[in-house]
Amino acid sequence: DAGITQSPRHKVTETGTPVTLRCHQTENHRYMYWYRQDPGHGLRLIHYSYGVKDTDKGEVSDGYSVSRSKTEDFLLTLESATSSQTSVYFCAISDGLAGSSGANVLTFGAGSRLTVL
Amino acid sequence: RKEVEQDPGPFNVPEGATVAFNCTYSNSASQSFFWYRQDCRKEPKLLMSVYSSGNEDGRFTAQLNRASQYISLLIRDSKLSDSATYLCVARVRDDKIIFGKGTRLHILP
Repeated sequence: DAGITQSPRHKVTETGTPVTLRCHQTENHRYMYWYRQDPGHGLRLIHYSYGVKDTDKGEVSDGYSVSRSKTEDFLLTLESATSSQTSVYFCAISDGLAGSSGANVLTFGAGSRLTVL
Repeated sequence: RKEVEQDPGPFNVPEGATVAFNCTYSNSASQSFFWYRQDCRKEPKLLMSVYSSGNEDGRFTAQLNRASQYISLLIRDSKLSDSATYLCVARVRDDKIIFGKGTRLHILP
């Protein structure tokens, strides 16, 4: 399996506190993604990165920021957590299609379960 | 409106039966399509890519209809182990990959 780890795997925090989730990969893949998964909504894209310092918004980016200062790490930050951000967060990586600039198959981390009280 | 739409199910199907799922996408410029499988409390994993000409992997067949903007997945001779949530996925432009909400499948003994 691809080397992708998420930390922390579980976190309970209080409303208004900052939270940072880390995604770390050892595959040197160019693309990295953050999704959240909630009952009734499926997986929704928060932010993604197509290279070091290159990021873009997804479907549900409000309240979240990201940073990618090196290839292997993609950080997701909730500046001031709210109860609506209670969710399971998945990071995914992709290396891109051969001969194309596009992203190919995603490999996911095991997920980070965040509870905001 | 989600860019990728699926019937959430659940589909309750007897073992050995054939089951088909459809998925529609709204962005006609979408470039690539996939089916992922997700087991309860696990991360999604790639089931198969979907090619314009249709493709088959054992008991699984995927089809793409660009004119009608839908993707399908057919599972033949279903097994108990096929019980899972099946996620339809579209690469809507070079880097942005969007998931449908998923279709739950229960195979009944």
